Amino acid sequence: GENVEQHPSTLSVQEGDSAVIKCTYSDSASNYFPWYKQELGKGPQLIIDIRSNVGEKKDQRIAVTLNKTAKHFSLHITETQPEDSAVYFCAASIGMDMRFGAGTRLTVKP
Amino acid sequence: NAGVTQTPKFQVLKTGQSMTLQCAQDMNHNSMYWYRQDPGMGLRLIYYSASEGTTDKGEVPNGYNVSRLNKREFSLRLESAAPSQTSVYFCASSEEAGGQPQHFGDGTRLSIL
Repeated sequence: GENVEQHPSTLSVQEGDSAVIKCTYSDSASNYFPWYKQELGKGPQLIIDIRSNVGEKKDQRIAVTLNKTAKHFSLHITETQPEDSAVYFCAASIGMDMRFGAGTRLTVKP
Repeated sequence: NAGVTQTPKFQVLKTGQSMTLQCAQDMNHNSMYWYRQDPGMGLRLIYYSASEGTTDKGEVPNGYNVSRLNKREFSLRLESAAPSQTSVYFCASSEEAGGQPQHFGDGTRLSIL
């Protein structure tokens, strides 16, 4: 089955800096790649997603890039703010089967 | 608009006890999912229901059963709880099956002693 690896496991940045989280996947048939933000005691919340026919997508301070050849995708957050502090998960899916990375704990220091 | 509602929020069981976790969504979504989240392992799919009347195994189905009661409700049952099933359980739904954004509930924190 699909295997998703996510790095780094923890990331600390200064407010206003950029943060980058990277994921790799194993199955070239994966065609949908969402990113989720999880705050303490809450369920994951979708922040951005990308499909296999698109190389890059932006939504305000958040962007995702996808390299199908290398089978990796990345989340970029610019101008980070303290409220961006949370655990971020990448995922890759084939049909109904969605596999998640182990998560990145992002801390934004004021 | 509540989204995805899970009950209970917390539960402690003894080994061998049974329990049903409840999930309901009010977004008229066709597909529903159950995941478990363990420290350092992300979320793993237990079972899913692509549409009302259908259920299928995910990555880690052993020890669990599910019922898609109607379009809104999808329950997860532990017949004989084991300590290895201590976890946080999340229910999610999506508009259609596969390749769709999933909306998650806030989870059920289950401890098995």
